[in-house]
Amino acid sequence: SQQGEEDPQALSIQEGENATMNCSYKTSINNLQWYRQNSGRGLVHLILIRSNEREKHSGRLRVTLDTSKKSSSLLITASRAADTASYFCATDLIPAGTALIFGKGTTLSVSS
Amino acid sequence: GAVVSQHPSWVICKSGTSVKIECRSLDFQATTMFWYRQFPKQSLMLMATSNEGSKATYEQGVEKDKFLINHASLTLSTLTVTSAHPEDSSFYICSADTGGGLETQYFGPGTRLLVL
Repeated sequence: SQQGEEDPQALSIQEGENATMNCSYKTSINNLQWYRQNSGRGLVHLILIRSNEREKHSGRLRVTLDTSKKSSSLLITASRAADTASYFCATDLIPAGTALIFGKGTTLSVSS
Repeated sequence: GAVVSQHPSWVICKSGTSVKIECRSLDFQATTMFWYRQFPKQSLMLMATSNEGSKATYEQGVEKDKFLINHASLTLSTLTVTSAHPEDSSFYICSADTGGGLETQYFGPGTRLLVL
């Protein structure tokens, strides 16, 4: 089953622009994570935000979490061509110890 | 950081054959491992949860007799696709949990299976 729904499904921007991706989920979570996947490759863990956190930063990444709206956003600032990839949000369900449930993903294309 | 490996990284096989994929945690013990499947341009879908020494728990719609999972040790889980068919062609990814909750779950690089 899938829990998260990313929006938009595809995003095309120019280098230097910011990219914002949104994720909505359905049930209560312990935490939410964002992953990147280059075409045909494995997953790269980007950032984790816990259910009691509202915002988190890591380098050019900014993640927000609104548990009341069951949504999260990932902002990539000053994008680069190397940021071209698919981005997935993943949530774990309560109780803890269950597998991650992935959203459908946003495909980001950054052109130089 | 913790490393999870998968072997093979890609495999091509004939329809009707069985394929075994290994998932290893290289520098930690994984009490739980998860197997995901990803079709082209789609997201990861959880197939099963594997606990060391016990039977795997399969997600709805995943045939346990077709996708055999063995978690024989704390560092190795195997997924065997039995009597593979072209529709089983996919990207199979495992992840391993160190036991510290999902904040310490690490993903393997994936295995691409092509069934002819």
